[in-house]
Amino acid sequence: QSVLTQPPSVSGAPGQRVTISCTGSSSNIGARYDVHWYQQLPGTAPKLLIYANNNRPSGVPARFSGSKSGTSASLAITGLQAEDEADYYCQSYDSSLSGVFGTGTKVTVL
Amino acid sequence: QVTLRESGPALVKPTQTLTLTCTFSGFSLTTNGMCVSWIRQPPGKALEWLARIDWDDDKYYTTSLKTRLTISKDTSKNQVVLTMTNMDPVDTATYYCALNEYSGSYYTHFDYWGQGTLVTVSS
Repeated sequence: QSVLTQPPSVSGAPGQRVTISCTGSSSNIGARYDVHWYQQLPGTAPKLLIYANNNRPSGVPARFSGSKSGTSASLAITGLQAEDEADYYCQSYDSSLSGVFGTGTKVTVL
Repeated sequence: QVTLRESGPALVKPTQTLTLTCTFSGFSLTTNGMCVSWIRQPPGKALEWLARIDWDDDKYYTTSLKTRLTISKDTSKNQVVLTMTNMDPVDTATYYCALNEYSGSYYTHFDYWGQGTLVTVSS
């Protein structure tokens, strides 16, 4: 079961900015554990998009950015493109050092 | 080049035990800080972290499934095995293994994933 809460869906027109929230608690995000973000295209394994709150792996476009504050984190996509249509998941750890994932957000490009 | 590949039965019957193997290359689980996790995703649903085994053989399980899961490693074969007992149709999912690291003070992100294997639980 998911411990981190995300909106089920967000949408935007090409070129717009969309944000996805990830809400946790004092036992995970609020306990100073980093938040990571993954993009999952249909039928494929998740791909790392943002690590350690606001870092982009090599090859990830600069239009993706992350932030973290308190018990929440956010992923922003600036300049939305058609190929960004996918499912997005946040991930962190809890005080028992178990991994925790978000509920997932489907991004639709209008 | 790091690769991970899951293998196991595509179909299991209710009450049976599932055994999945993650065969990897490009790293060693004898190297300090290396860890392998199992993560699953029911069709159309969210990712769920299941278990992790660390280089030093420490093991961690998700609380809700702890009594049903066992994770182990065979470093000579570069494999991590997950067993899940008493399978139920709700356990139908794609099961992934993924690599992450322990930096010395915290666990990192999953930067490499296998392609996943779909396991269906049905009589």
